[in-house]
Amino acid sequence: KQEVTQIPAALSVPEGENLVLNCSFTDSAIYNLQWFRQDPGKGLTSLLLIQSSQREQTSGRLNASLDKSSGRSTLYIAASQPGDSATYLCAVRPVGNTGKLIFGQGTTLQVKP
Amino acid sequence: SAVISQKPSRDICQRGTSLTIQCQVDSQVTMMFWYRQQPGQSLTLIATANQGSEATYESGFVIDKFPISRPNLTFSTLTVSNMSPEDSSIYLCSVGQGGNTEAFFGQGTRLTVV
Repeated sequence: KQEVTQIPAALSVPEGENLVLNCSFTDSAIYNLQWFRQDPGKGLTSLLLIQSSQREQTSGRLNASLDKSSGRSTLYIAASQPGDSATYLCAVRPVGNTGKLIFGQGTTLQVKP
Repeated sequence: SAVISQKPSRDICQRGTSLTIQCQVDSQVTMMFWYRQQPGQSLTLIATANQGSEATYESGFVIDKFPISRPNLTFSTLTVSNMSPEDSSIYLCSVGQGGNTEAFFGQGTRLTVV
């Protein structure tokens, strides 16, 4: 059974710091891994999608890496800003035809001005 | 990408009543899903909404409690029936084309049962 774990559960940093969020998964049979952002009480915004054959993806100040063989992904946020404060979720799509995602518990980030 | 409109965005309901949540997509999609996010928790899949046939429910979720409709490739509804305070959650609609494609989410419905 696929399990996804995110550490840390919460993180508080001063503005301007670079930071890394971690995601691990137990079964490497995945199509892809996706990072999402969730603001309190809201839906999910897709940040980055990494296919199983890829090593990393970048969008602006965000960089996500994937090491499928070790079951790990990281989300790197450069020069953090107070507007980055949110919960960050990673999710994997297991191989098969179900299309569903398996989510981690999320990392709640607070960036202090 | 897909633009998803989910209604209502929030509601406060009395226990014992039912609420129907709508999910409208701006383009035809192969797959539509309904997730639940209980307070302080991550997302759990309720069911896959199948066009023209009964939804496929995950373990722990049943059709009598969460009936789902999907009349076409752009629209689905989730009903939360006979609600109790334990049903207070955010309910999210998600769409995708399957395989290795990207998943998209609606803005969620924040349900409080009193």
